[in-house]
Amino acid sequence: AQKITQTQPGMFVQEKEAVTLDCTYDTSDQSYGLFWYKQPSSGEMIFLIYQGSYDEQNATEGRYSLNFQKARKSANLVISASQLGDSAMYFCAMKITSGTYKYIFGTGTRLKVLA
Amino acid sequence: DAGVIQSPRHEVTEMGQEVTLRCKPISGHDYLFWYRQTMMRGLELLIYFNNNVPIDDSGMPEDRFSAKMPNASFSTLKIQPSEPRDSAVYFCASSWIGNQPQHFGDGTRLSIL
Repeated sequence: AQKITQTQPGMFVQEKEAVTLDCTYDTSDQSYGLFWYKQPSSGEMIFLIYQGSYDEQNATEGRYSLNFQKARKSANLVISASQLGDSAMYFCAMKITSGTYKYIFGTGTRLKVLA
Repeated sequence: DAGVIQSPRHEVTEMGQEVTLRCKPISGHDYLFWYRQTMMRGLELLIYFNNNVPIDDSGMPEDRFSAKMPNASFSTLKIQPSEPRDSAVYFCASSWIGNQPQHFGDGTRLSIL
């Protein structure tokens, strides 16, 4: 079954520290994409970072990096130097293109950055 | 560049009324998605279109829900008749083919009284 699992419903981190949000996925497809989105309290969904299944390097975008471990089927998001504005809900998502195009979201992790 | 535009941002209506949500995707995107987000069920894909054609509507909860995409720049999601359990935030998103992210609109917060 194709599935995204985010096991941390909520997390706290101290401002300026790094935090890792966990994401594991399950698919038998060889070609897929993994995405992270941020949803602040205002409600919009903001794309953060992308990793392709064939990418050998871990993706990075500013303070965001994706720790991609293909054999373990994990795609953890690392936020460095946390800021108060990072407090939000974070969703991991997987895109599969074999057969019907599918975009599967995890249940999300709520991150609270403490001053 | 204009992002995905949804209207209205908020909708409050009484049970039994018809509700129409609107979406303008990003120009050039060939995929359009409708999602529903609730606390209980999280983010659910309702339906998606490719080149204006509905591809997968297996997430549409009931016959009361319908979606159309008459052209590449406009889509609607209708609920008729609406029920209180339809209260949720409805997102529209669009993307190109390939390993591109979906770009989301700001959502429509729907409350059915």
